[in-house]
Amino acid sequence: DAGITQSPRHKVTETGTPVTLRCHQTENHRYMYWYRQDPGHGLRLIHYSYGVKDTDKGEVSDGYSVSRSKTEDFLLTLESATSSQTSVYFCAISPGQQSSGANVLTFGAGSRLTVL
Amino acid sequence: GQNIDQPTEMTATEGAIVQINCTYQTSGFNGLFWYQQHAGEAPTFLSYNVLDGLEEKGRFSSFLSRSKGYSYLLLKELQMKDSASYLCAVMDDYKLSFGAGTTVTVRA
Repeated sequence: DAGITQSPRHKVTETGTPVTLRCHQTENHRYMYWYRQDPGHGLRLIHYSYGVKDTDKGEVSDGYSVSRSKTEDFLLTLESATSSQTSVYFCAISPGQQSSGANVLTFGAGSRLTVL
Repeated sequence: GQNIDQPTEMTATEGAIVQINCTYQTSGFNGLFWYQQHAGEAPTFLSYNVLDGLEEKGRFSSFLSRSKGYSYLLLKELQMKDSASYLCAVMDDYKLSFGAGTTVTVRA
């Protein structure tokens, strides 16, 4: 397995509380991503990072913020959690452009968040 | 925006062949990926196509037609362990967008 870990793996919280999910990699990959996965929707991109302090929005970024102060860590923050943010969150990493042309994303094990 | 369509479910018999189709309409294209995801687990990379044609990798093959916005994943000699969701995804400028996934059930 690629060196990518997510924490916490499971969390139950209440509406209105802040939540931070952490993604840590040991591969020194340039790109890091946060996705959420919900039944019927598949994986949807929340935010991604293309370097330290360089981030951009995905298709479902409302209600989420991210930070990347070190190459190895990418944090996803829900400032005030809502029930609609109950989901499984996956972090992914990729090296960027390769000679083979394939910028393959490798996924972490996922973090299951329940907002009551 | 990105629009990636694939069937929701497919069922096949052990030892048979199944073909999962994927059509896409995306604003940009830097390659098409297939991932496998077992229930409760992370997606894992299966295949990548960026040029038209067939890529074969053991029991799994993937085909791409860029002019038609079409790909398929072919699973041969199905085994029980192939029961999983198969995700079609398109890369556009380092962002990977996914279809909703196709759940394949392999029956004995």
